Amino acid sequence: DAGVTQSPTHLIKTRGQQVTLRCSPKSGHDTVSWYQQALGQGPQFIFQYYEEEERQRGNFPDRFSGHQFPNYSSELNVNALLLGDSALYLCASSWNSDSLRGYTFGSGTRLTVV
Amino acid sequence: DAKTTQPPSMDCAEGRAANLPCNHSTISGNEYVYWYRQIHSQGPQYIIHGLKNNETNEMASLIITEDRKSSTLILPHATLRDTAVYYCIVVNTNAGKSTFGDGTTLTVKP
Repeated sequence: DAGVTQSPTHLIKTRGQQVTLRCSPKSGHDTVSWYQQALGQGPQFIFQYYEEEERQRGNFPDRFSGHQFPNYSSELNVNALLLGDSALYLCASSWNSDSLRGYTFGSGTRLTVV
Repeated sequence: DAKTTQPPSMDCAEGRAANLPCNHSTISGNEYVYWYRQIHSQGPQYIIHGLKNNETNEMASLIITEDRKSSTLILPHATLRDTAVYYCIVVNTNAGKSTFGDGTTLTVKP
């Protein structure tokens, strides 16, 4: 049973560019959450998607947007990249109907903005 | 969401119990306490969660104080592979949002 899959694992972008990160949830999971983890810090919640809608959002600017597809996979888009957007981006999936079981995290995408 | 406070680092001898504390004094009645750990270069891994009763699973035990303002994660027999950053978070499962702090770096030493 595949866990959460994120792609790409690493990428380098130039300031001002746009980036799209992808996440396939664990089989059977229908809810996807995205987190940003700066070096040496804990993950910070960006937003959560369920039924193809953004359900909750953390304190991130509108440059950060997302999408969930009918197969529950998800994308995170970041526009007008800043140097401070350099971080590990984590995707976590869960069952909406049984969120008490906790989230399953992927290994993340390491984004470097130069 | 309630914020949590954890010591930045702890050491533990291999084979001994590791007791990791967490303060969550502003926790509300419908918020659960979750523990995750993150081994270097990997995503966080779920360990255990609880509401107000003590919980135990194959990985760890969770002790929550009666007033729910603090909790302790216990790894009964720490191994070198338990070296990781441990995060205590509180989660409002109705909202789905969760806030991680900076966690405790546990180093298990031979």
